[in-house]
Amino acid sequence: QSALTQPASVSGSPGQSITISCTGTSSDVGVYNYVSWYQQHPGKAPKLMIFEVSNRPSGVPARFSGSKSGNTASLTISGLQAEDEAAYYCSSYTTGSTVVFGGGTILTVL
Amino acid sequence: QEQVVESGGGVVHPGRSLRLSCAASGFIFSSYGMHWVRQAPGKGLEWVAVISYDGNNKYYADSVKGRFTISRDNSKNTLYLQMNSLRAEDTAVYYCAKDWKWEQLFYGMNVWGQGTTVTVSS
Repeated sequence: QSALTQPASVSGSPGQSITISCTGTSSDVGVYNYVSWYQQHPGKAPKLMIFEVSNRPSGVPARFSGSKSGNTASLTISGLQAEDEAAYYCSSYTTGSTVVFGGGTILTVL
Repeated sequence: QEQVVESGGGVVHPGRSLRLSCAASGFIFSSYGMHWVRQAPGKGLEWVAVISYDGNNKYYADSVKGRFTISRDNSKNTLYLQMNSLRAEDTAVYYCAKDWKWEQLFYGMNVWGQGTTVTVSS
């Protein structure tokens, strides 16, 4: 199972919006709505930000949103804040009853 | 407060074995699927294995299939990962994570531990 494809890095200024893409295949992202997004600060454990494509767990700010079109899922962060600077990973359930992660995207807040 | 705490990591020679543990608290452990996820130094997340809430269903990444075994003891609120025939490429921080949905799998991991480090080196 190959990793989902994410851009290595994205950047934005405080207050701006950014979008991170996550491209899979018809064996994962394209056929299941079990796409999740995780935020990881350096030296810390990952944190669930989005589940089932577009749902936010309690406590996650509304400026984090998710969507999906075909084989590509996206995470959008609106109104960027300094504390959003972190690595972001997407994941998806697959037809092989496994989970595949993306390679990760480093978000830099300028 | 939902919490999981991993233990059992260490330095081990190639070909040897190691067993990781994950102690859960603050939630009904016996009602949730549990995952192991690892992260090699400076690399991204890699899913390793999952076990259903009742232990009846287990799934593995191809990279560990046949070498690693996931198990759980619901009476002790503890998840395990038995790792055999370890290789240098198994070197990573190993995280235990809880699936968020009651008695379901693969919906998303909403509780993570701080991880335990496994180093495979001669």
